[in-house]
Amino acid sequence: ETGVTQTPRHLVMGMTNKKSLKCEQHLGHNAMYWYKQSAKKPLELMFVYSLEERVENNSVPSRFSPECPNSSHLFLHLHTLQPEDSALYLCASSHLRQGGFTEAFFGQGTRLTVV
Amino acid sequence: AQSVTQLDSQVPVFEEAPVELRCNYSSSVSVYLFWYVQYPNQGLQLLLKYLSGSTLVKGINGFEAEFNKSQTSFHLRKPSVHISDTAEYFCAVSEGTGRRALTFGSGTRLQVQP
Repeated sequence: ETGVTQTPRHLVMGMTNKKSLKCEQHLGHNAMYWYKQSAKKPLELMFVYSLEERVENNSVPSRFSPECPNSSHLFLHLHTLQPEDSALYLCASSHLRQGGFTEAFFGQGTRLTVV
Repeated sequence: AQSVTQLDSQVPVFEEAPVELRCNYSSSVSVYLFWYVQYPNQGLQLLLKYLSGSTLVKGINGFEAEFNKSQTSFHLRKPSVHISDTAEYFCAVSEGTGRRALTFGSGTRLQVQP
């Protein structure tokens, strides 16, 4: 398998549930990201992991909890979400080099609906 | 801090006409620049990138973009569009120093009409 793979593709969860989104990259990259894409809003960067260390956390509520056990895997643990958290969650990976982050490769996304 | 502005939220165009999608960025240091395309219910796909060298970069599907440092722009162009080019297009920037990840613009919806 190549590229960036996200599972599940669709998820419906209640506000009291706990679920996790999974992302796996097979590109040998050293950086992984979670983005949130809501209708009619710009893409929002949530978390960045580089060399398995979290390097950015953009004021994301604590009900979203990322985990990066190694450079190929990234999780987003969800608990007690709100309906406004319904969105497309995109995982991406890239390489951090001296000149900055190179192009990001994206997964297909997980369409999350909170009911 | 880096930022990206895509001036047009929607661009309607007729099939086989040329199109330009505008992107301006703000950064005090050297940058990498990217254009991505997103089809409905899909992730983002890289169209082209500027890292260094020639300011005119060619990408997939007949798209090209020109890096203009003095105007801090990176506009995307295609000489003749197809119905299948209908999608959302995102411009993104990554600063050359520090460890800021890609920052995306708000997107431009390209609507190709027959």
